[in-house]
Amino acid sequence: GQQLNQSPQSMFIQEGEDVSMNCTSSSIFNTWLWYKQDPGEGPVLLIALYKAGELTSNGRLTAQFGITRKDSFLNISASIPSDVGIYFCAGLDGGSQGNLIFGKGTKLSVKP
Amino acid sequence: NAGVTQTPKFQVLKTGQSMTLQCAQDMNHNSMYWYRQDPGMGLRLIYYSASEGTTDKGEVPNGYNVSRLNKREFSLRLESAAPSQTSVYFCASSPQGYGYGYTFGSGTRLTVV
Repeated sequence: GQQLNQSPQSMFIQEGEDVSMNCTSSSIFNTWLWYKQDPGEGPVLLIALYKAGELTSNGRLTAQFGITRKDSFLNISASIPSDVGIYFCAGLDGGSQGNLIFGKGTKLSVKP
Repeated sequence: NAGVTQTPKFQVLKTGQSMTLQCAQDMNHNSMYWYRQDPGMGLRLIYYSASEGTTDKGEVPNGYNVSRLNKREFSLRLESAAPSQTSVYFCASSPQGYGYGYTFGSGTRLTVV
């Protein structure tokens, strides 16, 4: 089935640093979503993107829907300890009965 | 303010035992989903229900059955548990199947020994 390639798999950063992660696909997607999963909890929606080239912010988080519609990026500025968790990208390609396809996640660790 | 509620939160089963994972949402969402999460594998779709009265297989349906009892409730059943089904199971719901973000429950941690 359709797959999303999410990178990096894990990151260890210092508090205050900026973070970048991305997701790529071999086919075109119509919607990109970014989720965060705190330890022991379910994923929570952070940002939704619906148009190629769209750039959307949510506090210190900024996500972009790639122009080619085959990728998306998430940036976190000035990281803090509560940013720790797993970040998932998810996409909708219109051919999977409307079901989201998830990347394998980026595990973020922040050193105080 | 409950959202999606899953029960139980933790369960240990012996190989061959059966059990049902329960999921209920109070947001009047049409679509509901069951995922499993394994280390390094991300979230894999087991079954979904696009609307009340319909269910369909996802990526990894073998060994599972589901029931969409009504609009609120979507249960996942393991008829004969196997160690390979040790995982964290998440239920999710969305207003409709296309393009809308899912709301997830907090998960059921299942161990099969």
